[in-house]
Amino acid sequence: DGGITQSPKYLFRKEGQNVTLSCEQNLNHDAMYWYRQDPGQGLRLIYYSQIVNDFQKGDIAEGYSVSREKKESFPLTVTSAQKNPTAFYLCASGTRGNEQFFGPGTRLTVL
Amino acid sequence: DAKTTQPTSMDCAEGRAANLPCNHSTISGNEYVYWYRQIHSQGPQYIIHGLKNNETNEMASLIITEDRKSSTLILPHATLRDTAVYYCIVRVETGGFKTIFGAGTRLFVKA
Repeated sequence: DGGITQSPKYLFRKEGQNVTLSCEQNLNHDAMYWYRQDPGQGLRLIYYSQIVNDFQKGDIAEGYSVSREKKESFPLTVTSAQKNPTAFYLCASGTRGNEQFFGPGTRLTVL
Repeated sequence: DAKTTQPTSMDCAEGRAANLPCNHSTISGNEYVYWYRQIHSQGPQYIIHGLKNNETNEMASLIITEDRKSSTLILPHATLRDTAVYYCIVRVETGGFKTIFGAGTRLFVKA
């Protein structure tokens, strides 16, 4: 099946710990994105990557880091510098000119 | 990317048409209107997009005004499963990788 996967679906971490969220796609898409969603709010762009080994900051990149070593993978690390990390994190992929395809999301709770 | 304005919430009776409006008065000539929806705790799902002409697919119809300053998404026969948050986005089709998701319209389909 072609698609975009995120794991895990639910993630719990202690305050002060870094945590990495996985995002994998087998759609052969060049572009990948990470969004954050807070309860009752829209999506806000954290980072995006248009091509392997290149990525750009979105609107709320502080406290987050990414890598794009492979076309299929775009992991997001939530660092201890992120003040309010508890949120729903969505990964998406797309090709130039096409709609974005979203993964099922990871709900991160920092205790 | 141009900003959009949508009502916060709307109700619709099951089996009736749901008409979701969107204002995008600052839209540029090369920006498309995209619609996505998000069912609770899932990733957004692409619905439809268009530039000037009205568009229809198996999910919905998109009506864009002649001056392109507003549009309406029509779900012709709403079902309970159409209850979701609907996002209207304007963006360039090529070269614009960032997609801005606002708060959207929360559609409640009632039996």
